[in-house]
Amino acid sequence: QAVVTQEPSLTVSPGGTVTLTCASSTGTVTSGHYPYWFQQKPGQAPRTLIYDTDNRHSWTPARFSGSLLGGKAALTLSGALPEDEADYYCFLSYSGARRVFGGGTKLTVL
Amino acid sequence: EVLLVESGGGSVEPGGSLRLSCGASGFTFKDQWMSWVRQAPGKGLEWVGRVKSRSDGGTREYAAPVEGRFVISRDDSKNQIYLEMNRLKIEDTGVYYCTTEMRWSGWGQGALVTVSS
Repeated sequence: QAVVTQEPSLTVSPGGTVTLTCASSTGTVTSGHYPYWFQQKPGQAPRTLIYDTDNRHSWTPARFSGSLLGGKAALTLSGALPEDEADYYCFLSYSGARRVFGGGTKLTVL
Repeated sequence: EVLLVESGGGSVEPGGSLRLSCGASGFTFKDQWMSWVRQAPGKGLEWVGRVKSRSDGGTREYAAPVEGRFVISRDDSKNQIYLEMNRLKIEDTGVYYCTTEMRWSGWGQGALVTVSS
């Protein structure tokens, strides 16, 4: 089974920009992996931020953007706010439409 | 607004069985693929499996750790999906979420499953 890898933790200053990445053990991540990004705060269910690489839901703040970068999927947060402190997960889809989540990135806004 | 509500969580001994339910509203349920995702205490998210819509064949796929033990089903007349969990292991402990694969636009609040002797 494929393994999806994310940075375990990142720190960003308030107002700063940070990029989280999502890599596949099988090689380059493409739009065909339909990358998704989720945000989860303590004690809450996850919330979907980005679908199919770079599409925001209606509730996703514009400061979050998705892309493909250097063979990985990427989530960029521009203008970080204290409320953006959370765990962020990506997932990728593989043949047979199986989904594999990354291990998550704990983002600290400090 | 997509609304998903899980029920049926609880405590069970290793080797036992448990059935979770998830009620859905706010979207055309019968047309959507539905998934289960779980989260062990203090750990990350793990995809458990999915049931496709009847129009797409109604087939089910599972993650390797649960294949052969868990069964996902759906009842479109009741807007419900189910997760039948058999031969439960301690490592199956966690919060189980149901989701719609319609752009993964909705998540339930989760149902806690504890497998312990």
